[in-house]
Amino acid sequence: SQKIEQNSEALNIQEGKTATLTCNYTNYSPAYLQWYRQDPGRGPVFLLLIRENEKEKRKERLKVTFDTTLKQSLFHITASQPADSATYLCAREGDDKIIFGKGTRLHILP
Amino acid sequence: KAGVTQTPRYLIKTRGQQVTLSCSPISGHRSVSWYQQTPGQGLQFLFEYFSETQRNKGNFPGRFSGRQFSNSRSEMNVSTLELGDSALYLCASSREGLDTEAFFGQGTRLTVV
Repeated sequence: SQKIEQNSEALNIQEGKTATLTCNYTNYSPAYLQWYRQDPGRGPVFLLLIRENEKEKRKERLKVTFDTTLKQSLFHITASQPADSATYLCAREGDDKIIFGKGTRLHILP
Repeated sequence: KAGVTQTPRYLIKTRGQQVTLSCSPISGHRSVSWYQQTPGQGLQFLFEYFSETQRNKGNFPGRFSGRQFSNSRSEMNVSTLELGDSALYLCASSREGLDTEAFFGQGTRLTVV
């Protein structure tokens, strides 16, 4: 069955630095990967979707990469701010459903 | 425009009972998907409905079912509740399906006692 793993449960980054979160998947490459942000007590908020034929996608301070050789997606937040502190989830399609990672809790330290 | 609305926000039920949760998608969105979120298992996909038809399904027992109405509103039903069904149930709507931008509701917190 398809799996997706987010390597770090938690990550502390100094304000102003670039935060990089990792998502690894198994078996075949998914047609797309998604990244979400979730704050405590709230539903996830969609951030970016990257398709298999795209190597990189950007949105303001966010950048996502998709490496089918490494079976990995990297999510970058540049010039990080304390307001970026949240749990970030990656998700892949597979077996006619969408599969989420357990998430990485990102703390941006002032 | 109004976001995804889930009702009720909180629910307490007894083992063996059944429960129905409701989700009103964003106007114009035809796809509604449901998820269960627990601290141990994370966010898990239950099923997706599109134009009143179940299009995709996760690995949950048959006690979990859903439906979608002609106005795209969706309901999820869980029968014969178990303690392990206690979770945050989230629904999300999107224009065309799982591979397009999804908007999540605030969720329904279900506690089974």
